[in-house]
Amino acid sequence: ETGVTQTPRHLVMGMTNKKSLKCEQHLGHNAMYWYKQSAKKPLELMFVYSLEERVENNSVPSRFSPECPNSSHLFLHLHTLQPEDSALYLCASSQWRLADLYNEQFFGPGTRLTVL
Amino acid sequence: AQKITQTQPGMFVQEKEAVTLDCTYDTSDQSYGLFWYKQPSSGEMIFLIYQGSYDEQNATEGRYSLNFQKARKSANLVISASQLGDSAMYFCAMREGRFYSNYQLIWGAGTKLIIKP
Repeated sequence: ETGVTQTPRHLVMGMTNKKSLKCEQHLGHNAMYWYKQSAKKPLELMFVYSLEERVENNSVPSRFSPECPNSSHLFLHLHTLQPEDSALYLCASSQWRLADLYNEQFFGPGTRLTVL
Repeated sequence: AQKITQTQPGMFVQEKEAVTLDCTYDTSDQSYGLFWYKQPSSGEMIFLIYQGSYDEQNATEGRYSLNFQKARKSANLVISASQLGDSAMYFCAMREGRFYSNYQLIWGAGTKLIIKP
């Protein structure tokens, strides 16, 4: 595997289910990101992990719970979601450096989540 | 106020023609970076080109160039000799220079580009 991979690619879940999204990066990066992409809205940054510590949490509801066990893996645990949480969830990674504006982010293909 | 504005929700362009996708930004920082990403229907965001605020020359990457007009706060993407494979969503994004927001990319709403054969 190369780049950033995400599983599953598609997920349909009921509001009472618990599921997890998985992201793995094979690029040796030190930062990982979860984004939510809803139709006709800009990308929303949800969480950032740098060196396995959470450094950003943009007012995301507690029904979304991230986990970063090591620098290559990132999970998003989902429970009691709402229909408005249906979206494309994108994972990204980057080699973060202090004060480096370039800091290109590499994205995975996303998980298309539908909440019934 | 929106920090990144992409005024073209959709565009149709004839194959082999050049296309310009508009992006204007708003920041009070002197130091910032501007990005363009492409998102095909498969979903993956693909980095295309980067322009730093202090870069004196417009960035170029193959068929992609960035028309950077700092005084007008505009960073338009130009695709020369468009191809059918260029059909996708295109997003403009900005990173501001303050340390505490160094992780954040601020995204525009995107432009859907369709190349006609």
